[in-house]
Amino acid sequence: DAGITQSPRHKVTETGTPVTLRCHQTENHRYMYWYRQDPGHGLRLIHYSYGVKDTDKGEVSDGYSVSRSKTEDFLLTLESATSSQTSVYFCAIGHYAYNEQFFGPGTRLTVL
Amino acid sequence: KNEVEQSPQNLTAQEGEFITINCSYSVGISALHWLQQHPGGGIVSLFMLSSGKKKHGRLIATINIQEKHSSLHITASHPRDSAVYICAVSSDSNYQLIWGAGTKLIIKP
Repeated sequence: DAGITQSPRHKVTETGTPVTLRCHQTENHRYMYWYRQDPGHGLRLIHYSYGVKDTDKGEVSDGYSVSRSKTEDFLLTLESATSSQTSVYFCAIGHYAYNEQFFGPGTRLTVL
Repeated sequence: KNEVEQSPQNLTAQEGEFITINCSYSVGISALHWLQQHPGGGIVSLFMLSSGKKKHGRLIATINIQEKHSSLHITASHPRDSAVYICAVSSDSNYQLIWGAGTKLIIKP
């Protein structure tokens, strides 16, 4: 298994509060990704990183920001959580070549 | 129209049956991926292929580049194969994956 962890694994919060999810890898992969997974939708890319301090938006980036100050950590922040951000969030890491990605265990976030 | 289409969306079968899940795509790719997600579980990569066929245990993945189509087969299916199977393609124009919506497979004992 790829060494990739996510924290917290579960979180319940209230609308309007800030939330930060952490993804940590021990594989020294260059690329890191944040996805959300909702019923009826496939995985949707929120943001990704192609190196330290190098990030870019995915297809559903509104309301989310990210930071990557070290190779091993990729943080996803919801500045002011809304109920529409209730979801399961997956972090993934990967090489560029053929883009095979390895996934973390997921974080279940509920915004009340 | 989605760039990656999977069929069927849902599939229920009896234990022991031969299972086929299909994936069609409309973009240029460098590779195609099959992944598995058990209920409440994480996402695991099963295969990455760019041509031909790969086999791992009872799972077989094939790809036809000319027809832009891939299939995932499960032989002698078992209830523990019940999961969502996801197809994704590596676009040959950037370093992102394009995801199918998944196929939910239920194998009844």
